[in-house]
Amino acid sequence: SQQGEEDPQALSIQEGENATMNCSYKTSINNLQWYRQNSGRGLVHLILIRSNEREKHSGRLRVTLDTSKKSSSLLITASRAADTASYFCATGDFNTNAGKSTFGDGTTLTVKP
Amino acid sequence: GAGVSQSPSNKVTEKGKDVELRCDPISGHTALYWYRQSLGQGLEFLIYFQGNSAPDKSGLPSDRFSAERTGGSVSTLTIQRTQQEDSAVYLCASSLRVAGGTGELFFGEGSRLTVL
Repeated sequence: SQQGEEDPQALSIQEGENATMNCSYKTSINNLQWYRQNSGRGLVHLILIRSNEREKHSGRLRVTLDTSKKSSSLLITASRAADTASYFCATGDFNTNAGKSTFGDGTTLTVKP
Repeated sequence: GAGVSQSPSNKVTEKGKDVELRCDPISGHTALYWYRQSLGQGLEFLIYFQGNSAPDKSGLPSDRFSAERTGGSVSTLTIQRTQQEDSAVYLCASSLRVAGGTGELFFGEGSRLTVL
């Protein structure tokens, strides 16, 4: 089964609103990464947060990590139509092959102009 | 090259035929991954290569699937006796594994496989 699970599965908002997506995982991690996928394309790395960090910002993106709850959230502020895409979290395991990253099923975000 | 290159971008084959999918990672990246993505779904891990270590094959769904990485660079994913359920997009990614690094994955655009 997938390590990360995103929720909600789908999110539809108006341009200018904020979008929040959540990710839960099962085992210990050394870092958690968020990726974006435009329809039919490859994934693009957005932001990484390490297990000893609680919050990180990059432009309009804000990521939080709660290792006690094994969860992370991705907030996109002031959304734009161009943010329409699927968003995935990926985790790296501490105790297994640290190179293997496992992905959730993603959140499909639609931003209406 | 500048990015991860995958070929073919699209492949249509008949059930029972063998297919080979190729991945050319970013030069110097020691780690290479194959994932499979069915329509509207997440990424299913298939196999992971890291340097000269034995590959992690734990995600390969059956013995019809195999992959090799020659010379620590180009990788080929082979699916023998394809079945309709093998239809999916096969994504390759590479990363530079260095101490203290991020392990960020760089993805190719994928090979879309359709088995008729």
